[in-house]
Amino acid sequence: SQTIHQWPATLVQPVGSPLSLECTVEGTSNPNLYWYRQAAGRGLQLLFYSVGIGQISSEVPQNLSASRPQDRQFILSSKKLLLSDSGFYLCAWNSQGPHGYTFGSGTRLTVV
Amino acid sequence: AQTVTQSQPEMSVQEAETVTLSCTYDTSESNYYLFWYKQPPSRQMILVIRQEAYKQQNATENRFSVNFQKAAKSFSLKISDSQLGDTAMYFCAFMKNSGNTPLVFGKGTRLSVIA
Repeated sequence: SQTIHQWPATLVQPVGSPLSLECTVEGTSNPNLYWYRQAAGRGLQLLFYSVGIGQISSEVPQNLSASRPQDRQFILSSKKLLLSDSGFYLCAWNSQGPHGYTFGSGTRLTVV
Repeated sequence: AQTVTQSQPEMSVQEAETVTLSCTYDTSESNYYLFWYKQPPSRQMILVIRQEAYKQQNATENRFSVNFQKAAKSFSLKISDSQLGDTAMYFCAFMKNSGNTPLVFGKGTRLSVIA
């Protein structure tokens, strides 16, 4: 069966520090992968998505970046965090085609 | 671009009663998919129900059912026999059928089930 792992679950980082959040999927190949951010318990903002290794689409210009070094690994990074980067980050995957997502358990990031 | 609107930021319902959450969307696509996701206090996103636009029959999953009105671009979620565990944020989402395109989410409705 397919599973998605996202870590860490919580993170407190100072302003200006780097960030690396990791997401991996097991039990499938060539998944579509997504990073969303949810602020203040409200809507989901799509940050990045990837339909294949090395293929990254950015939806929102900001100081975050994403990479997909392996087929089932998706990494969200920042060189220097801002206070406004605080939020709840969700990774998700689906199969190629119009399929609903399976979400990871999320990372709560607090920038102080 | 597609948009999804959930006009009810918050709702409440008595336990065992029925509640309907509204969702409308805007698209020029003729074939697409619609979803409802639930996010309980744990914040884990859970797929509740899925509807293919080419199917006239409304999707049903146990106590959850949808009223899909394609011409009106409306996709409401009905929860019957509400339970305390149904307390959550509910998100409506849209996906085009063409290619690998991301889900477009509404802003969510916070549902509280009251004992």
